Amino acid sequence: QAVVTQEPSLTVSPGGTVTLTCGSSTGAVTSGHWPYWFQQKPGQAPTTLIYDTSNKHSWTPARFSGSLLGGKAALTLSGAQPEDEAEYYCLLSYSGTRVFGGGTKLTVL
Amino acid sequence: EVQLVESGGGLVQPGGSLRLSCSASGFSFSNFWMNWVRQAPGKGLEWVANMKQDGSEKNFVDSVKGRFSISRDNAKKSLFLQMNNLRVDDTAVYYCSYGGYWGQGTLVTVSS
Repeated sequence: QAVVTQEPSLTVSPGGTVTLTCGSSTGAVTSGHWPYWFQQKPGQAPTTLIYDTSNKHSWTPARFSGSLLGGKAALTLSGAQPEDEAEYYCLLSYSGTRVFGGGTKLTVL
Repeated sequence: EVQLVESGGGLVQPGGSLRLSCSASGFSFSNFWMNWVRQAPGKGLEWVANMKQDGSEKNFVDSVKGRFSISRDNAKKSLFLQMNNLRVDDTAVYYCSYGGYWGQGTLVTVSS
């Protein structure tokens, strides 16, 4: 099965902008991989931020956005808040199966 | 309000079996693919299995093929994961999910 890669860790300053990426071992990530992005804080279940590359749920803060960038899926956080410190996971679809990335630990400091 | 409630977790010995259930409410269960996702202690998320709306298609991660099965009862809005021949590395919190929604998970511990 495919391997999905994410940056292990990133740091952003409060109010700053950061982009997390999600790559695939099979080649360029496309909209056909239906990329999802999830946020997980310690001791909590994940919450879904972005689905199908760039769509937001009603609860997704406006400062988060999803896109395709340089052959990868990307999650951009503009105007980071202390409460955005968390683990972020992407999920790609490969026909019927799904594969998560290893996660990015985002520190807001 | 969408709710997904998992149950059936617990402590089991290696080689044993467990059946997890997920009770859904607040949405048209029969219209959606459903997934099981797990998270081992201190580790990342791992997609485990999914099932099409009518049960005609099922997919599994390689590590559970031949040991786990997935089923659903659309009339009862329930999803199931039958786990056989459990191994220590199956220890995890198991989540039921669809679209953007997640349950709170149920803990499966495989240990002698």
